Amino acid sequence: DIQMTQSPSSLSASVGDRVTITCQASQDISDDLNWYQQKPGKAPRLLIYDASNLESGVPSRFTGSGSGTDFTFTISSLQPEDVATYYCQQNDNIPTFGGGTKVEIK
Amino acid sequence: EVQLVESGGGLVQPGGSLRLSCAASGFTFSSYAMNWVRQTPERGLEWVSEISGSGLSPYYADSVKGRFTISRDNSKNTLYLQMNSLRADDTAVYYCAKDRYTSGWSGVLHIWGQGTMVTVSS
Repeated sequence: DIQMTQSPSSLSASVGDRVTITCQASQDISDDLNWYQQKPGKAPRLLIYDASNLESGVPSRFTGSGSGTDFTFTISSLQPEDVATYYCQQNDNIPTFGGGTKVEIK
Repeated sequence: EVQLVESGGGLVQPGGSLRLSCAASGFTFSSYAMNWVRQTPERGLEWVSEISGSGLSPYYADSVKGRFTISRDNSKNTLYLQMNSLRADDTAVYYCAKDRYTSGWSGVLHIWGQGTMVTVSS
């Protein structure tokens, strides 16, 4: 299985800050990389698919980039409602997820 | 509105069986592959199984192969997961998730249900 290494595991930032999360695949997955947001007690929500495509209805402050093995997820201006855990997931092969990044407000 | 509603979770003894259901609405169910994904605090999110829109070619994670069976009834817009020989490490929240594309299985998990808890314990 393809291993997804996500970092950091948690972060604390101020409202308005730029937040960056990275995800590294154990082998080349092209752009078969998706990002999800999960709020406490809720199901994950798809934010970014195919590495950089914004899902409909998702605020434009969320962006994704990368290809091959290295990917980045960015929140350009952190908002209080962005408090959540974020996961990367590859769909190049049997789907696997990163360990998650818990984002909190400082 | 696209909606997925899971049911069937509960407490079951090791070695027992359980069948989960996922009722779909708001989209043409038969056009989309569907998935089951589970989540635990210890192991995080784990993809479990996938089935095509036609119900052919199911795939399974190695951890459940031979014990779990995915199926669907397109006339009832319902997805199922039959879980046999349950073990303690099958304890998790189980989500059904709709694939994003109509052209076969992509693994992009577009819409998720609210989840149903399965606890395997004596």
